[in-house]
Amino acid sequence: DTGVSQDPRHKITKRGQNVTFRCDPISEHNRLYWYRQTLGQGPEFLTYFQNEAQLEKSRLLSDRFSAERPKGSFSTLEIQRTEQGDSAMYLCASSFSRDEQYFGPGTRLTVT
Amino acid sequence: DQQVKQNSPSLSVQEGRISILNCDYTNSMFDYFLWYKKYPAEGPTFLISISSIKDKNEDGRFTVFLNKSAKHLSLHIVPSQPGDSAVYFCAASSYNNNDMRFGAGTRLTVKP
Repeated sequence: DTGVSQDPRHKITKRGQNVTFRCDPISEHNRLYWYRQTLGQGPEFLTYFQNEAQLEKSRLLSDRFSAERPKGSFSTLEIQRTEQGDSAMYLCASSFSRDEQYFGPGTRLTVT
Repeated sequence: DQQVKQNSPSLSVQEGRISILNCDYTNSMFDYFLWYKKYPAEGPTFLISISSIKDKNEDGRFTVFLNKSAKHLSLHIVPSQPGDSAVYFCAASSYNNNDMRFGAGTRLTVKP
C-alpha cells in the first residue's frame, strides 16, 4: 500500500471559483477525515466519514463546503465560491480505529 | 477554543542531547494522546501515542509521559539526531468524539 494520496498537491484559483480536492485513503481503512491547516497552526478538524456515511462535521465547515465519500472509498472535498480566507493546506487522513490516523501530503489551496 | 496547547513554538538542541517537547490540554474528556512529526511538504506522520490509563510509553528513542492531574504530556527524544529536525504536533482525542484536536506545533532543530 502506498499510503494516503491527495490530488492535486497545489491549486491556485480566483476568488469566487469552485474547487474540488480528492483523497484516496489506505484501502483497508474505513475511517476518513478532512482537516484544514493554516500557517503556524496545527490541523483543524473539518469532517469525518465512516465508510460512506458522513458522521461528523465541524462548525468550521460552512455551507460552501461539501464532502462526499461514495462507496466508502475515495473522498472529495468541494469548496464553492472560494474566498481568500479559504487559502490553506487541506489534509486528508484515514484510519482503521479512532486513534492513529495516517495523513496524506495535503493539497495547498491559494485563492487570489 | 484551543483545547491543546504547545506553548513553545521552537526548540533547538545539540545532537546527542535530550529533546523535551511539551503539551498541555484543557479537556478532561481526552483519553488518547498522540505525537505527530511533520517535515516540509509532507503530511504529519504518526510518531507515538499514549492512552490515559498509562503514564508512560516508550518506543526506541521516543518516550511520551502523561500527567493527567496536570493535564500535561511531554515527548522525550534521546539521543536527538539531526534527522529529528521537524515540526512536532501534539494531538488528543476523546472516546465520544471523532475529531482529533491538535496543538499549534513545536519546531525542533537538532544541530550537528
